[in-house]
Amino acid sequence: DQQVKQNSPSLSVQEGRISILNCDYTNSMFDYFLWYKKYPAEGPTFLISISSIKDKNEDGRFTVFLNKSAKHLSLHIVPSQPGDSAVYFCACISYNTDKLIFGTGTRLQVFP
Amino acid sequence: DAGVIQSPRHEVTEMGQEVTLRCKPISGHDYLFWYRQTMMRGLELLIYFNNNVPIDDSGMPEDRFSAKMPNASFSTLKIQPSEPRDSAVYFCASTWDANTEAFFGQGTRLTVV
Repeated sequence: DQQVKQNSPSLSVQEGRISILNCDYTNSMFDYFLWYKKYPAEGPTFLISISSIKDKNEDGRFTVFLNKSAKHLSLHIVPSQPGDSAVYFCACISYNTDKLIFGTGTRLQVFP
Repeated sequence: DAGVIQSPRHEVTEMGQEVTLRCKPISGHDYLFWYRQTMMRGLELLIYFNNNVPIDDSGMPEDRFSAKMPNASFSTLKIQPSEPRDSAVYFCASTWDANTEAFFGQGTRLTVV
């Protein structure tokens, strides 16, 4: 049973435009959410996170939005750059366990 | 610190053989996670440890899989006997607190033929 879902396996965006990556979760006990970025042949690296007490967190070109009622989070990248091309994973942690549960990933391609 | 170190980077083995994957977490990190990456399921949590103690192994697919953490600086994931469907990239990650980001190793690409 996939508790964290990224329904778009891939996304293609033109350089300079906004990239929006989406993530849905089913477990209402999740209270901390993260996005990771993964390049080929490398391990995932942390990008940005958000606590359930917030609905938005911004770091430079990256902004994460959280809609708790819809159990949905999104990552906005603006402006998108070719170096952003990678696989993006969302991840969730629940307050009653220490498990870090990942989604299936979205492959982002930013073209010139 | 050199980060999370996994070995080997690549492993090719024949079906039925025993495979051991190794991980050295970042010093001072109390949590260690083992993940498997597949196309269908993304990054799948297999097991995690807190202070060297296995806390949740519900993600371990079968009894053929086992993991140990004999001390704070070393963990192994063993598959015995290995099968072709075990072919995947296996990641180890560590963190000092459950509600902070985890740091990943570069992964071990396992191919079972």
